[in-house]
Parts: sequence; structure tokens; C-alpha cells
Amino acid sequence: GNSVTQMEGPVTLSEEAFLTINCTYTATGYPSLFWYVQYPGEGLQLLLKATKADDKGSNKGFEATYRKETTSFHLEKGSVQVSDSAVYFCALSGGYQKVTFGTGTKLQVIP
Amino acid sequence: EAQVTQNPRYLITVTGKKLTVTCSQNMNHEYMSWYRQDPGLGLRQIYYSMNVEVTDKGDVPEGYKVSRKEKRNFPLILESPSPNQTSLYFCASTTVGTGKNSPLHFGNGTRLTVT
Repeated sequence: GNSVTQMEGPVTLSEEAFLTINCTYTATGYPSLFWYVQYPGEGLQLLLKATKADDKGSNKGFEATYRKETTSFHLEKGSVQVSDSAVYFCALSGGYQKVTFGTGTKLQVIP
Repeated sequence: EAQVTQNPRYLITVTGKKLTVTCSQNMNHEYMSWYRQDPGLGLRQIYYSMNVEVTDKGDVPEGYKVSRKEKRNFPLILESPSPNQTSLYFCASTTVGTGKNSPLHFGNGTRLTVT
């Protein structure tokens, strides 16, 4: 079956630091890949997505590239802000809306 | 405003007392789903529905029921809650038109405590 593995947290960074959250996946076929963000007390919301190999998703300064050769979809941001503190989930969809989530990575950004 | 609305946000109950968590979406989405979120386990799917009167089990369906009588509503029913169902629950919806490319839209969650 499909699976998603993302790095354990929590990740603590100083403001303006560079962020990488690793995500690798196992899937049959050609899934779509997503990053969702969960702010405290809220539901998950879509951060970015990529639907085919070599696609780059981007939003709010975050980026992730769909790497089929390494089955990865790492999330990056060049300069994090305190307001980026949240839990980040990597996810894949293999069709029929069957979505597999990673366990989530908590990011804390300190001033 | 397009949204998924869950109620209640917080619920404390006792073992065996039936409860229902409601979920409603105003985006005319065909697909709706329930997840539970537990520390270290991420989100696990409980049940999903591809359309009215069509429901199916997810990965952890034991102890839960759902119904889909109307397109906008997808209630989660715990007929005899137990402490191991203490968790944070999320309802989500999406359109089926773009297949695997469609992102999920989530409600704000229901934190359930069963004592």
C-alpha cells in the first residue's frame, strides 16, 4: 500500500533561518503530492501541491518539488517567520480521493 | 464563504453514551471523509463517502458509523464510545472532478474526550 514518511519533529528554528522538512513516499502509479499546514486550534489547510514528476508547488514562500527518482517531496522555505509555527503534513493521493498522510512535523520558530 | 463546519468543537462524554458529531460543507462536494488525529500517528481515515447514500470504511472504522442522506452533511456516530476513541476528529471534503489532484478541505476539528 501507499505510505508517507516525514521527518520527526519538533523542529525549532530562529526567525529568518532556512527550513527543510523531509518527506519521502511509497506508492504505486503516479500519485499527486501535497503539503498541508495545521495552525494551532485549526484544521489542516492546503499549503501547496504537485501533480506530476518534476512539478514544483509553491505558496507563501514555501516550495516543494516532486522528485520521482528519489520518491521525495521535501518542503523548503528560505526565511521562516514566527507566523510559520505550525504542524506540517506531507500527503499523497493515489486516486479515488484515497489520501495517505505522514505523521506531521511540528515547526516552532523563535524570534 | 466556502467552508466545512463541524460541531461541536469540544465534547466530553462518558463511556457508552451515544454521540454524534456533525459535519456540513457548502461547496457541493461529492466526497466527504472523517479522520482522527492522534500524536505520532498522523491522520487516519475512519469512513468516507463518494456521494449520497455511498459510504465505505477507511483504515480505522471500528466503533464508528456514518450516514450520507444529503450531499452537504456527513455525521459521525459513536454508538457506544470508549476511552480509546478519545482523539481529535476532522471532517474533510473535496470534489471528485479532478481526481487525485483535488485537495481536501478540512473542518476545524472536534476534540472528543471519553472518560
